[in-house]
Amino acid sequence: KAGVTQTPRYLIKTRGQQVTLSCSPISGHRSVSWYQQTPGQGLQFLFEYFSETQRNKGNFPGRFSGRQFSNSRSEMNVSTLELGDSALYLCASTKDDLTGWDEQYFGPGTRLTVT
Amino acid sequence: GDSVTQMEGPVTLSEEAFLTINCTYTATGYPSLFWYVQYPGEGLQLLLKATKADDKGSNKGFEATYRKETTSFHLEKGSVQVSDSAVYFCALLSGYSTLTFGKGTMLLVSP
Repeated sequence: KAGVTQTPRYLIKTRGQQVTLSCSPISGHRSVSWYQQTPGQGLQFLFEYFSETQRNKGNFPGRFSGRQFSNSRSEMNVSTLELGDSALYLCASTKDDLTGWDEQYFGPGTRLTVT
Repeated sequence: GDSVTQMEGPVTLSEEAFLTINCTYTATGYPSLFWYVQYPGEGLQLLLKATKADDKGSNKGFEATYRKETTSFHLEKGSVQVSDSAVYFCALLSGYSTLTFGKGTMLLVSP
């Protein structure tokens, strides 16, 4: 079965612009989580969506937002980009049938560079 | 809040050497614990997990035991291979699907 896909894989933007990243979860998975990975801060949780609702949110400014569609696909948006937003953005999907913990499957990530 | 501390790398070993990567955590209660591995240019893959105290997770020759008394989850492998070269992350489950990660430890194995 197809894994988690993220598009685009690489992106270069200028400070002040905005960007939208996309994540398609594994078929049948209902939860999508987003993480930011940087050399300095490591992997940090951004937010998690389940059935089109944000269920959990990390400690990031309001410039970072996301949404989930009825087919479980998710997008995250970063407005007014700053140099410090340069990172690898990872998406993970989970089946989440509410019966217990399910493995998170990660996509390959989107490498965002802000210049 | 929850946090995970793991040893800084890189850890450089020769093939067939013994591997230990230390991981300790701070959390409320007894969270599930995980080791993830990231190969160059790829996302994270779950390596092993343990959901309660004294559980031992194992996979592909790697092992880690959930030690409640020392709040630790050290990763070990008896004989590493060049193909094990990657970055290893210790993590705990903080919420429904929220993972709190350590900073990662790069492992470099030479022939």
